[in-house]
Amino acid sequence: GAVVSQHPSWVICKSGTSVKIECRSLDFQATTMFWYRQFPKQSLMLMATSNEGSKATYEQGVEKDKFLINHASLTLSTLTVTSAHPEDSSFYICSARVLELDTGELFFGEGSRLTVL
Amino acid sequence: GQNIDQPTEMTATEGAIVQINCTYQTSGFNGLFWYQQHAGEAPTFLSYNVLDGLEEKGRFSSFLSRSKGYSYLLLKELQMKDSASYLCAVINSNYQLIWGAGTKLIIKP
Repeated sequence: GAVVSQHPSWVICKSGTSVKIECRSLDFQATTMFWYRQFPKQSLMLMATSNEGSKATYEQGVEKDKFLINHASLTLSTLTVTSAHPEDSSFYICSARVLELDTGELFFGEGSRLTVL
Repeated sequence: GQNIDQPTEMTATEGAIVQINCTYQTSGFNGLFWYQQHAGEAPTFLSYNVLDGLEEKGRFSSFLSRSKGYSYLLLKELQMKDSASYLCAVINSNYQLIWGAGTKLIIKP
């Protein structure tokens, strides 16, 4: 199946710093990638839809100036958490849909656990 | 509004069978997914249903009734490694993926 790679797997940073998370599709081109965050024992929450070559579409309540998304190529999308605070500590997961597959199945990255001190 | 309901937690015995139910109310329907998620890991795909009926894949089967807005995931011959959260997700008419909160399945020996 399609492979999505996410990096880093975990990161610890100081409050006020910025953190970049990368999401790569390794064996297919992903015109659309999705960014989720997940708090412990809660469901995935869609943050934004990342479209190659255009601005991301953010879900209601997600600060676009805080969570910067860049989808510069067909295989790479990045999420930057700017001026991170402890409440931003969460599990961030990216996914991509392979349109050529009839199922429209989502393939997920491994996830990135962010801890802000 | 749109919502997906599934039990918060279920317990079953190793070797047994368990059925995890999911009911949904969404603006349109374009398919239903079941994903498995182990703690601290990303979800992995289990099944996809778009037509009514039962889809069988090894020890796992998924059923869909669009008229009832209902699906279930059936796990047979339970193994300890099946202990995980099981997420139900529906694609609505706008091709948005609506996620349930997940059912934590605990397998006991």
